[in-house]
Amino acid sequence: EDKVVQSPLSLVVHEGDTVTLNCSYEVTNFRSLLWYKQEKKAPTFLFMLTSSGIEKKSGRLSSILDKKELFSILNITATQTGDSAIYLCAGNTGTASKLTFGTGTRLQVTL
Amino acid sequence: DGGITQSPKYLFRKEGQNVTLSCEQNLNHDAMYWYRQDPGQGLRLIYYSQIVNDFQKGDIAEGYSVSREKKESFPLTVTSAQKNPTAFYLCASSIDLDQPQHFGDGTRLSIL
Repeated sequence: EDKVVQSPLSLVVHEGDTVTLNCSYEVTNFRSLLWYKQEKKAPTFLFMLTSSGIEKKSGRLSSILDKKELFSILNITATQTGDSAIYLCAGNTGTASKLTFGTGTRLQVTL
Repeated sequence: DGGITQSPKYLFRKEGQNVTLSCEQNLNHDAMYWYRQDPGQGLRLIYYSQIVNDFQKGDIAEGYSVSREKKESFPLTVTSAQKNPTAFYLCASSIDLDQPQHFGDGTRLSIL
């Protein structure tokens, strides 16, 4: 059975802090690892990672994949209150691009 | 604007009633998906469709049904056989297997 585990479940930080969110996965016919940000409604796409060791970056957010250890991290530097959200990690199995999601990390950034 | 439209935003179901959630996309995506989101459980796949007139069960298909008569549309029916339908339902689509899925704004279903 495919499984994705995220940690921590929740996190409260002060504005300006740097955070690291973790995602481990066991997914058959693995194609890619995806990160999404969910505020109130639709999860919005952040990154898709397919190759080990190659960091993807978008502004203050970055992510990297370790296919040997079946692990990914999402880093957010200089956090802002607008980063408060649930961050979802999902493993993409090759069969019809099915996604298996973790339970998410709820991040709260306070002033 | 291109995107995925789900309706209604909120839906209430009476006991023994079937209800249908709408999902329409104008992105010309081949693949469409339905997920259910419960607190503390992440998203779970209900049904998916890679092409018109074809669909497959996901991990929690019992009590649900779908159709894919048009590329743009993938409605989900929550039947009376689904005993715990209260949840947030999300529809997604992707252009192909190697591209990320994009989501609609969801429908929140509650039981009266």
